[in-house]
Amino acid sequence: ETGVTQTPRHLVMGMTNKKSLKCEQHLGHNAMYWYKQSAKKPLELMFVYSLEERVENNSVPSRFSPECPNSSHLFLHLHTLQPEDSALYLCASSPVASGGARETQYFGPGTRLLVL
Amino acid sequence: QKEVEQDPGPLSVPEGAIVSLNCTYSNSAFQYFMWYRQYSRKGPELLMYTYSSGNKEDGRFTAQVDKSSKYISLFIRDSQPSDSATYLCAVSRQLTFGSGTQLTVLP
Repeated sequence: ETGVTQTPRHLVMGMTNKKSLKCEQHLGHNAMYWYKQSAKKPLELMFVYSLEERVENNSVPSRFSPECPNSSHLFLHLHTLQPEDSALYLCASSPVASGGARETQYFGPGTRLLVL
Repeated sequence: QKEVEQDPGPLSVPEGAIVSLNCTYSNSAFQYFMWYRQYSRKGPELLMYTYSSGNKEDGRFTAQVDKSSKYISLFIRDSQPSDSATYLCAVSRQLTFGSGTQLTVLP
């Protein structure tokens, strides 16, 4: 498998559920990202990991909890979400998290999340 | 003021038309300018990448940056139905995205 993969592709959850999104990159990159994409809104950067260390957390509510066990895998743990959290959650990777290489990000297909 | 402004469209053009997609940005310190293409039910894919001002051409696609007016453009020549997608502009740093323009090329 090549590129950036995400599972599941679709997820429906209640507000009291706990679920996790998974991302895996097969590109040998050292930086990984979580984005939220809502309809008619720009992509919102949520978290940045560089070499498994979180380097950015853009004021994301604590009901979203990222985990990066190694440079190839990234998780987003979800608990007690709200209906307004329904969106497409995209994972991306880049060679490094700074400089020009950060801009060449490769995205996964996303997980479409619906919170009821 | 938003850091990146992009007309969301939708934009419909006939096959073979020249398409012009545009964004404006607010921070003159930005140095990297990108265009991503996002097909339905897919993640964005990097289409064009430009550093500083000027033009960059890749096949039917031309990216143009005018730093004096903080304006970036993507031109698509001889547009094809397969070009139908949402086009996102993005600027550094922290890869700030526009909201995307939905383009449909009609056969």
